[in-house]
Amino acid sequence: GEDVEQSLFLSVREGDSSVINCTYTDSSSTYLYWYKQEPGAGLQLLTYIFSNMDMKQDQRLTVLLNKKDKHLSLRIADTQTGDSAIYFCAESPGPYGGATNKLIFGTGTLLAVQP
Amino acid sequence: DVKVTQSSRYLVKRTGEKVFLECVQDMDHENMFWYRQDPGLGLRLIYFSYDVKMKEKGDIPEGYSVSREKKERFSLILESASTNQTSMYLCASSLAPGTVFNQPQHFGDGTRLSIL
Repeated sequence: GEDVEQSLFLSVREGDSSVINCTYTDSSSTYLYWYKQEPGAGLQLLTYIFSNMDMKQDQRLTVLLNKKDKHLSLRIADTQTGDSAIYFCAESPGPYGGATNKLIFGTGTLLAVQP
Repeated sequence: DVKVTQSSRYLVKRTGEKVFLECVQDMDHENMFWYRQDPGLGLRLIYFSYDVKMKEKGDIPEGYSVSREKKERFSLILESASTNQTSMYLCASSLAPGTVFNQPQHFGDGTRLSIL
């Protein structure tokens, strides 16, 4: 079945790089997403990658996609205390997620940034 | 900017009550979704709707129903609230894929519901 897995917790020091990993199961997923959730808030779309890409960079964020291993990672350079949040990986199963654009979310990784 | 508004940030209700959670989006999105979020379980889809009066069950529909009478509004209904429905509820909306396939979901701030 469809499943998206993430580690639950990551702790880094301010200024270091953070790498959050995710594995997914649906090889037909066309888009893969990273969302950020700050305390008490909803989910905010951070970035996404199309399945025919290996890498996407957006300022401090780098997304790497290994389609063969169904592995996705989010690297945050120069991590700041304001980056402390829960990060969710999500896949859009099936070609283009189907007409309803459903997403399958991982369990979320809590990133704690130590000053 | 897309705005998805959930009517309450915090709600406390009693076991057995009928509970309504409301969600409104202002971007004329076709698709709307209701999730619940629990620690260690991530987001689980309860119901979604791809058009007015259309709905489909998600992964955990038991104990819930939904209503979509107008395109901008999607309501989640707990028919008879139980303590195991205490959770954070998140609403989202998106455009239908159409000719542009990447249509990410946009989320509201969530409603933290406690059933006593």
